[in-house]
Amino acid sequence: EVQLLESGGGLVQPGGSLRLSCAASGFTFSTYAMSWVRQAPGKGLEWVSSTGGRGTPSYYAESARGRFTISRDNSKKTLYLQMNYLRDEDTAVYYCANHNWDDGRFDFWGQGTLVTVSS
Amino acid sequence: QSVLTQPPSVSGAPGQRVTISCTGSNSNIGAAYAVHWYQLLPGVVPKLLIYGNTNRPSGVPGRFSGSRSATSASLAITGLQAEDEADYYCQSYDISLSGYVFGTGTKVTVL
Repeated sequence: EVQLLESGGGLVQPGGSLRLSCAASGFTFSTYAMSWVRQAPGKGLEWVSSTGGRGTPSYYAESARGRFTISRDNSKKTLYLQMNYLRDEDTAVYYCANHNWDDGRFDFWGQGTLVTVSS
Repeated sequence: QSVLTQPPSVSGAPGQRVTISCTGSNSNIGAAYAVHWYQLLPGVVPKLLIYGNTNRPSGVPGRFSGSRSATSASLAITGLQAEDEADYYCQSYDISLSGYVFGTGTKVTVL
C-alpha cells in the first residue's frame, strides 16, 4: 500500500523559512517523479513543484520559483521542500504526491501538512 | 488564478446523473494534454478519480466517467450516492505556463 506522510509544517513569520518532508513507502520511490501541491484555506489546488526520480529535472510554479527548492533522498525514501522568504500567501496545506511523468497525473497523495505564515 | 474553469457547485438527488465541466484553452486541454480528475473529501487523502481523460484507476467505482473534447473535459457521476458529496478538481498541463494546472474546483452536493 502506497503511503506518503508529510511533516514539517507549522507557524512561521513572513520572510522566514521552513523545510517540509514527505516519507514514502509502499512503492519503489527512486523510480517515481514526486511533486508538491498546495491548497490555501478556502481556495483550490495549486501545483508547486516536481522533480524526477533521481532529483532531476526539477520544475517550479511561478509562485515558487527562486524561493522554494525541491529535493529528495532516495536512500531515505524522502521528498523535501525547502521554503524560503515565505509570504502570507504561502499559507496552505502542502501535499506531496507521486507523479506520473508521462501524462502528468498525481497518482497518490499524502494527508498534507499545514503551513501558516503570519506575524 | 486557474486557467481551467469549473462550475463552483453542482447538485443532484441520489441516483441521478451529474456532470462537471472543465473548460480550458488551446494551451492546455486543446493542446492534447491529458486531463485528470481528483476527489477531495474533508479529512481524507485526495484521490485520483480519472486519469488520461477517460481511465479509472483500480478501485474507482464505474459510476465515475470522464470525457474530453476540443478545449474542455467533463466528469460524470451516474447514480449519485451520498458518499460522492465532495470537492472535485480537474488537472492538466499548460504549455504557456510550463506547468501543471488545476481547475477552480466544484463542490458536489447530494440532495
